[in-house]
Amino acid sequence: DVHLVESGGTLVQPGGSLRLSCLVSGLTISNYSFNWVRQAPGKGPEWLSYVGSSGSPTYYADSVLGRFTISRDNAKNSLFLQMSSLRAEDSAVYYCTTSIHNNQIRTYFDHWGQGTQVSVSS
Amino acid sequence: VLTQSPATLSLSPGERATLSCRASQSVSRYLGWYQQKPGQAPRLLIYDVSNRATGIPARFSGSGSGTDFTLTISSLEPEDFAVYYCQQRTTWPTFGPGTKVDV
Repeated sequence: DVHLVESGGTLVQPGGSLRLSCLVSGLTISNYSFNWVRQAPGKGPEWLSYVGSSGSPTYYADSVLGRFTISRDNAKNSLFLQMSSLRAEDSAVYYCTTSIHNNQIRTYFDHWGQGTQVSVSS
Repeated sequence: VLTQSPATLSLSPGERATLSCRASQSVSRYLGWYQQKPGQAPRLLIYDVSNRATGIPARFSGSGSGTDFTLTISSLEPEDFAVYYCQQRTTWPTFGPGTKVDV
């Protein structure tokens, strides 16, 4: 079975930075692309970022472009999301996901982690 | 932009549920559906309008094309009461605001 476990979410002040991690098991991570998706309370999910199986290409939603950076460490079976210049509207549960169309950005999300909560507030 | 209607659908077990998703411009057949229960991540139900994801029961079906799509649950089971989201993949993936199916 594929398992994704996110960590690193916490309460952070506006303008602050945070690094989320996602530990992946049950598949050979180097063969797969991954995404980060977030969901604010009472809202639909929002796709944020994509990374190809080799580490490129990377893509970002306009809402986080220039502030968030996706990366991966295949040797550690891990995916990361470095977040900076955080705003109140970034408060959400953050999920890492796999997709049914591997190495394609235009896809659906089949495996999700349990999510990690990020709260941005002073 | 995806819109979903109704916002809330109040039904009883055994009844048929019909959920709507409308796109502001054509997404061809690149439309999927997810189910989400409280405290859980979304679960992919349907992709590309009518293809059920792995392990999804046959009571879930999808239809439509272009801008208007429907998710049908033929006979509601107790575990089907949840929030349902549509998602398009014609451009960067985007989701609708959801329809809550409650008792």
